[in-house]
Amino acid sequence: NAGVTQTPKFQVLKTGQSMTLQCAQDMNHEYMSWYRQDPGMGLRLIHYSVGAGITDQGEVPNGYNVSRSTTEDFPLRLLSAAPSQTSVYFCASTRSGAGNTIYFGEGSWLTVV
Amino acid sequence: DAKTTQPTSMDCAEGRAANLPCNHSTISGNEYVYWYRQIHSQGPQYIIHGLKNNETNEMASLIITEDRKSSTLILPHATLRDTAVYYCIVSANAGGTSYGKLTFGQGTILTVHP
Repeated sequence: NAGVTQTPKFQVLKTGQSMTLQCAQDMNHEYMSWYRQDPGMGLRLIHYSVGAGITDQGEVPNGYNVSRSTTEDFPLRLLSAAPSQTSVYFCASTRSGAGNTIYFGEGSWLTVV
Repeated sequence: DAKTTQPTSMDCAEGRAANLPCNHSTISGNEYVYWYRQIHSQGPQYIIHGLKNNETNEMASLIITEDRKSSTLILPHATLRDTAVYYCIVSANAGGTSYGKLTFGQGTILTVHP
């Protein structure tokens, strides 16, 4: 049981490039979400999903796309990277319903130059 | 989402209990209180959560006031490795379920010193 796995751990992009941050969980969790964390700040929700084929926006969705074709995977796409997207990105998952434990991945450090 | 208020920072001596307060006066009846911590920008680590009863696990205890407007996380015997940012979070209220969404505040920087 690997929990929530994020790849890559570190990435440097040039402005305008696109890339995908991968997130996978092996706990058969229905709910998955992506957060970003800027220096000295708490995490902010980007997008979330309540099941395969269903996604919705969070607090800071601009510049990011998501899709959920399987229960296990929830990739985050940066369409045209900007320096403002330099951040640490965290993926999380949990079972459906209220009051369940929410598990986080170890993070993906992204620098856009 | 209910907002939470935590002190910016706290100190604790190693081996002593660390008591971290959190105010969530606008919490709704079906919202849970979660505590997470983050060490050196690692992924947030789950500590404990509760609805209205006090909870205890191998890491900590959670004391929720009867009116549910505040809570206290207790680390019974703090160690240097407990130095971290501690987040008190009230779960999102969307149709009565959290949908796995959490709204993070600034948290409390806990420093455990020898």
